[in-house]
Amino acid sequence: EPEVTQTPSHQVTQMGQEVILRCVPISNHLYFYWYRQILGQKVEFLVSFYNNEISEKSEIFDDQFSVERPDGSNFTLKIRSTKLEDSAMYFCASSEGYSYNEQFFGPGTRLTVL
Amino acid sequence: SQKIEQNSEALNIQEGKTATLTCNYTNYSPAYLQWYRQDPGRGPVFLLLIRENEKEKRKERLKVTFDTTLKQSLFHITASQPADSATYLCAPNYGGATNKLIFGTGTLLAVQP
Repeated sequence: EPEVTQTPSHQVTQMGQEVILRCVPISNHLYFYWYRQILGQKVEFLVSFYNNEISEKSEIFDDQFSVERPDGSNFTLKIRSTKLEDSAMYFCASSEGYSYNEQFFGPGTRLTVL
Repeated sequence: SQKIEQNSEALNIQEGKTATLTCNYTNYSPAYLQWYRQDPGRGPVFLLLIRENEKEKRKERLKVTFDTTLKQSLFHITASQPADSATYLCAPNYGGATNKLIFGTGTLLAVQP
């Protein structure tokens, strides 16, 4: 069964450093998303992406964040200058369609900012 | 802004019983609502989607109801098993220009053997 994959599974970085989290969505999906979950809290939407541009972003997704689909398979989330409060689990998701479509989540990348 | 409330306390039930989880929302009704399961340290996994014009949806041992008058969705697991133990997340979607998932806090279900 096709699945969303994410790398790395765990990333440790120093505050102020840039990190890139990578995702490979399901191949025939057109809509891509990033969510995050701070330990013990709920899953929060960050950004959605379609047709090579951001279709929606949350207040959390400020200028420190960016997303890119550099080729036909990868979808990346970059955090330019990490803060302690960016420590969280980051989930990538994809869906085939827009409305009334389930989203398929990856296993997540645990980001730890020291 | 919309609020989504799920049972904040863990739900403990005996194996074989039916688990019922609640999702309440405020203000206007979503166009549809999805339920996901999340195991510790893992990504959410889709379970069921119910549209606002549907009262009930079933899939094997799972059943979801949607009551727009009560502004509530109920999620039932019949003949529960210890393997059903997980956090269950409700995510209403309001359609229109957005397809993002706004999750509730989730309800932790523990099925005791």
